Amino acid sequence: GAVVSQHPSWVICKSGTSVKIECRSLDFQATTMFWYRQFPKQSLMLMATSNEGSKATYEQGVEKDKFLINHASLTLSTLTVTSAHPEDSSFYICSARGLASSYEQYFGPGTRLTVT
Amino acid sequence: GQNIDQPTEMTATEGAIVQINCTYQTSGFNGLFWYQQHAGEAPTFLSYNVLDGLEEKGRFSSFLSRSKGYSYLLLKELQMKDSASYLCAAIDSNYQLIWGAGTKLIIKP
Repeated sequence: GAVVSQHPSWVICKSGTSVKIECRSLDFQATTMFWYRQFPKQSLMLMATSNEGSKATYEQGVEKDKFLINHASLTLSTLTVTSAHPEDSSFYICSARGLASSYEQYFGPGTRLTVT
Repeated sequence: GQNIDQPTEMTATEGAIVQINCTYQTSGFNGLFWYQQHAGEAPTFLSYNVLDGLEEKGRFSSFLSRSKGYSYLLLKELQMKDSASYLCAAIDSNYQLIWGAGTKLIIKP
């Protein structure tokens, strides 16, 4: 149990375009989902926390107008990188926290974004 | 402020034992996680400690001392596949995960 999927697993896009990444909890309801970014050889950096049906809470330094997060249901959250630039190229990972557990986060497999 | 400290990199020999330490300072404390992350992959759960003491799970064990703000992950009978980064994360009073920078473990034959 506690499986989280992400789609796509990798994507290449041109500078200036937008990319949407989906995060789904497959066998549980996720009250809270987290979006992380990880640059090569660096640790996870929390970008934002989203609760179902409410606006996401963004970490300091993360542009909310550039990284649009929608958490419309208990099983789906999306991250849209708008007007992507090469410096946005990174590994984006979502995680989900379910109703039964207040603590553990279940991670998706990640999405590697390359902006050319 | 909140802070997690763990060594940047460690090297060990196949078949040996290695201990990865983690110290934490958080606003409130609701437990500590250890995750394993192979290069290019998402983290996978290894252990969760909220009470003092040692939790053993196969070749991996995790220890916690709340009074010292200290935890360690112990890996026994090291295998080449254990080469990965090991992330320590503490849960604060708001149930947010505070992540360490990770310890890259290199296993040599």
